[in-house]
Amino acid sequence: RKEVEQDPGPFNVPEGATVAFNCTYSNSASQSFFWYRQDCRKEPKLLMSVYSSGNEDGRFTAQLNRASQYISLLIRDSKLSDSATYLCVVIPLDRGSTLGRLYFGRGTQLTVWP
Amino acid sequence: SAVISQKPSRDICQRGTSLTIQCQVDSQVTMMFWYRQQPGQSLTLIATANQGSEATYESGFVIDKFPISRPNLTFSTLTVSNMSPEDSSIYLCSVVTPGSDEQFFGPGTRLTVL
Repeated sequence: RKEVEQDPGPFNVPEGATVAFNCTYSNSASQSFFWYRQDCRKEPKLLMSVYSSGNEDGRFTAQLNRASQYISLLIRDSKLSDSATYLCVVIPLDRGSTLGRLYFGRGTQLTVWP
Repeated sequence: SAVISQKPSRDICQRGTSLTIQCQVDSQVTMMFWYRQQPGQSLTLIATANQGSEATYESGFVIDKFPISRPNLTFSTLTVSNMSPEDSSIYLCSVVTPGSDEQFFGPGTRLTVL
């Protein structure tokens, strides 16, 4: 079983739509959680961290459910510029893991159309 | 944040040859990693580059194939040895800055092996 599972999509939504991405992780000892964004032919860049209490940054809301080992990202009022691949990232906290090692999901591709 | 540069940005190489990729950071960082992203796939960690000592490789990656150096806190190299077409991929270095668990990625090196 993969460490991080994501629906690869693609998601095709009109401008202004609300879209949600989900991600599950297998290691219950996971410590830190992030959403990264990767534009076509570019490197991944941190979009936001995911906290147990949930967090919001403008149009973006991230949620973590430790009991279900589930992470979500909600994008409201989608913009054309939101078109990218969104990567769910987990850092485990167990002795078998490389310190600082990130586990990436395959990514969910989003296209926002006018 | 950290500004990361990689050289070369892309290369086309012949089977059986080797290519060394450089990663330079504009400030001292605590950790440096090398990742591979194959076409249509997510990122896979190759190894942690340790300053002044041998790199720590992930399962499936070996030093003979991917020798890594990290002579100081701001620079690392990854060599892809005896290349085959299966090594065609994007190779990215990433760093962790002091006091943070966020990873910043370099722009990547797009390698094509013929």
